[in-house]
Amino acid sequence: DAGVTQSPTHLIKTRGQHVTLRCSPISGHKSVSWYQQVLGQGPQFIFQYYEKEERGRGNFPDRFSARQFPNYSSELNVNALLLGDSALYLCASSLQPAHSTDTQYFGPGTRLTVL
Amino acid sequence: DQQVKQNSPSLSVQEGRISILNCDYTNSMFDYFLWYKKYPAEGPTFLISISSIKDKNEDGRFTVFLNKSAKHLSLHIVPSQPGDSAVYFCAASAGGSQGNLIFGKGTKLSVKP
Repeated sequence: DAGVTQSPTHLIKTRGQHVTLRCSPISGHKSVSWYQQVLGQGPQFIFQYYEKEERGRGNFPDRFSARQFPNYSSELNVNALLLGDSALYLCASSLQPAHSTDTQYFGPGTRLTVL
Repeated sequence: DQQVKQNSPSLSVQEGRISILNCDYTNSMFDYFLWYKKYPAEGPTFLISISSIKDKNEDGRFTVFLNKSAKHLSLHIVPSQPGDSAVYFCAASAGGSQGNLIFGKGTKLSVKP
């Protein structure tokens, strides 16, 4: 079975631009979470979606938004890009949301560079 | 403030010996803890987890110990192998939370042949 897939793998944008990152969860998983990992840090939670509804949001500005589709895939959108948005963006899927014993499985990530 | 702390940025161990990676947390609401391993240019790979109702969980060469009173957990790898060389992240979540994981900064393990 395929794991979590993300596209694109790498992306270069300039300040002020907009970016859309995509994620497909493991088959059967209905929850998708997004994390940002900057160099030297652990992943930081951005959003969690379940059944197309936002179930959790981390401490990120409104420039960050996301959505989940009926097939449980998800998009992360970032507007008005800043240099500090350069990071590895990770998508994780799990069977259910907000159940603390449900393991999240991560995709390979999208490396975003903002120039 | 960091709720999950991995105070050792790096650890070097000889092949065949034990690797011990440590993690401390401050939030007493955390009730589920996980370890992830990450190779360069890949996403984190789930390794092992432990619920707060247990103090030990074992899976092959990997054992996680939880000391709730000290708010401390550790990952033991025995015996260590060169393929274990990676960055290890400790993560925690709280029951009834929004499902998000709180990660430490990671410890880079190098296993030398």
